[in-house]
Amino acid sequence: AQTVTQSQPEMSVQEAETVTLSCTYDTSESDYYLFWYKQPPSRQMILVIRQEAYKQQNATENRFSVNFQKAAKSFSLKISDSQLGDAAMYFCAYRTPYSGGGADGLTFGKGTHLIIQP
Amino acid sequence: DAGVTQSPTHLIKTRGQQVTLRCSPKSGHDTVSWYQQALGQGPQFIFQYYEEEERQRGNFPDRFSGHQFPNYSSELNVNALLLGDSALYLCASSLAGGNQPQHFGDGTRLSIL
Repeated sequence: AQTVTQSQPEMSVQEAETVTLSCTYDTSESDYYLFWYKQPPSRQMILVIRQEAYKQQNATENRFSVNFQKAAKSFSLKISDSQLGDAAMYFCAYRTPYSGGGADGLTFGKGTHLIIQP
Repeated sequence: DAGVTQSPTHLIKTRGQQVTLRCSPKSGHDTVSWYQQALGQGPQFIFQYYEEEERQRGNFPDRFSGHQFPNYSSELNVNALLLGDSALYLCASSLAGGNQPQHFGDGTRLSIL
């Protein structure tokens, strides 16, 4: 079974600084997808960024970027120029493609609580 | 364009009762997944529905069942409620095919007394 591990229960960063959240995963599959989701106190899970395992290039979305190390099974999230609105729980998630199409169930880590200090 | 909507927002039940949670997917989406998120934990996958059939299931007992209707909306049913079923229940919808991200609703907070 696939597992996702987030070793940092909580991280704190000064506003405008850069922070990196860690994620490792365990799988025997070669084709899969990785995601970072953000969950503010409003509870809705919001997709931040995603990475296809077959792509060597790291994904980037504005201030958010990932460092994907397939051999090490590592998928960290870097947030640049941190803003107060970035404060939330961040979850790393994994899924494999489903042969019949559509989106498989996601396997989530336990999350990292990100605190932004003004 | 309405996103994923879930009802009710909050629910309080007692042990042994049964509960039904509802989810309307984002417009155009045909696949619905359900997750259980205990306090302080990441969501755990319960099951996924596509074309009105359960397509994939996580490690949850048969007390958890579901249904998908022709309009793609879905229900999650939990029988014989236990204290450990207290959690936030999240619904996510997506398009079928390819690498389509799942869009989540705000969840239903279920409390068991």
